Amino acid sequence: KQEVTQIPAALSVPEGENLVLNCSFTDSAIYNLQWFRQDPGKGLTSLLLIQSSQREQTSGRLNASLDKSSGRSTLYIAASQPGDSATYLCAVEYGNKLVFGAGTILRVKS
Amino acid sequence: GAVVSQHPSRVICKSGTSVKIECRSLDFQATTMFWYRQFPKQSLMLMATSNEGSKATYEQGVEKDKFLINHASLTLSTLTVTSAHPEDSSFYICSATQRYNEQFFGPGTRLTVL
Repeated sequence: KQEVTQIPAALSVPEGENLVLNCSFTDSAIYNLQWFRQDPGKGLTSLLLIQSSQREQTSGRLNASLDKSSGRSTLYIAASQPGDSATYLCAVEYGNKLVFGAGTILRVKS
Repeated sequence: GAVVSQHPSRVICKSGTSVKIECRSLDFQATTMFWYRQFPKQSLMLMATSNEGSKATYEQGVEKDKFLINHASLTLSTLTVTSAHPEDSSFYICSATQRYNEQFFGPGTRLTVL
């Protein structure tokens, strides 16, 4: 069964701190892996997409890495800001289907 | 580009009624649309995949007669929740893709069944 797990489930940090969100997946035959941000009651905003042949992607203060062999991805957020507070979802694409993790709820305190 | 809209954003209905949710790709032709459901504090679960002009493919455990999906054009898919009950209350999100490229997500529809 294809499962995606995210750790931690929730995280609270002071503003300015660097942080790492973790995602693991059971089936390494992925097409790509994507990180999303979801604000309360809202839809999904795509942050980074890593193709299966890639090791990492960067966008501004965000860096996502992918290790297919170990079934892991990390999302690194540098110099966190209160505006980064949201739920971060990891999704793995198998064929044409996305399998989502349960998310990490991030709160950045000012 | 790649904007997907949903309507309505929020709906409250009485138990036993049917509710239709629309998903539109505004600036591209979506050969495939996906419908997800998200319960509070849980992740998105794929309900069904619909390709334009053909019947939707439902995930295991999703009742096709209860959740009717129509994808009649390359820019519109609809999800109808028939005879809704309180346990159907959830956040429904659609996504659209062009020839199985990256999925673009709509803003979601909050359904509350009283």
